[in-house]
Amino acid sequence: KAGVTQTPRYLIKTRGQQVTLSCSPISGHRSVSWYQQTPGQGLQFLFEYFSETQRNKGNFPGRFSGRQFSNSRSEMNVSTLELGDSALYLCASSLITGGNTEAFFGQGTRLTVV
Amino acid sequence: QKEVEQDPGPLSVPEGAIVSLNCTYSNSAFQYFMWYRQYSRKGPELLMYTYSSGNKEDGRFTAQVDKSSKYISLFIRDSQPSDSATYLCAMSSNDYKLSFGAGTTVTVRA
Repeated sequence: KAGVTQTPRYLIKTRGQQVTLSCSPISGHRSVSWYQQTPGQGLQFLFEYFSETQRNKGNFPGRFSGRQFSNSRSEMNVSTLELGDSALYLCASSLITGGNTEAFFGQGTRLTVV
Repeated sequence: QKEVEQDPGPLSVPEGAIVSLNCTYSNSAFQYFMWYRQYSRKGPELLMYTYSSGNKEDGRFTAQVDKSSKYISLFIRDSQPSDSATYLCAMSSNDYKLSFGAGTTVTVRA
């Protein structure tokens, strides 16, 4: 069974640009979450989608947005990039059954803003 | 104060030793508890998942949850150099998000 796939693996962008990251969940998983990982802040929750609906959102500015498609694939977008957005962006997928929240992560997209 | 506090480490142990990792939490709504292992430049890998107080064992790994004390632990028996990684505790209530500890970096010396 294929795991969570994130593309691209690495990105270098310039301040002020925007970026779109993609995540394909494990087959059959309908919940997709996004996290930002930095050395200073650790892993922080961005948002979670289930059946194309955002069910929860973390404390990030409106420049961070996401969406989920009918096939459960998800994208997140960051507009007007800042140097502080440099991080590893991780996607996780879950099979929601009776409150089970086991989350399986992809390899991440490492974004560098210069 | 952070919702989840994890012993910062780093830890360095000889091969074959028992590794003990700990997290405390303040949010009594947390019901689900996980341990992840993360190798450098990789995504976190789920090691253990539990939702009740007590012990859960899987091979060389034992997860322990004490909800009354808001404390969870992970024990790794017979540690191997391949266990060298950063270990993250994570917790969740029914709000579809995980709250993570800061991680503990473990080095197992051959």
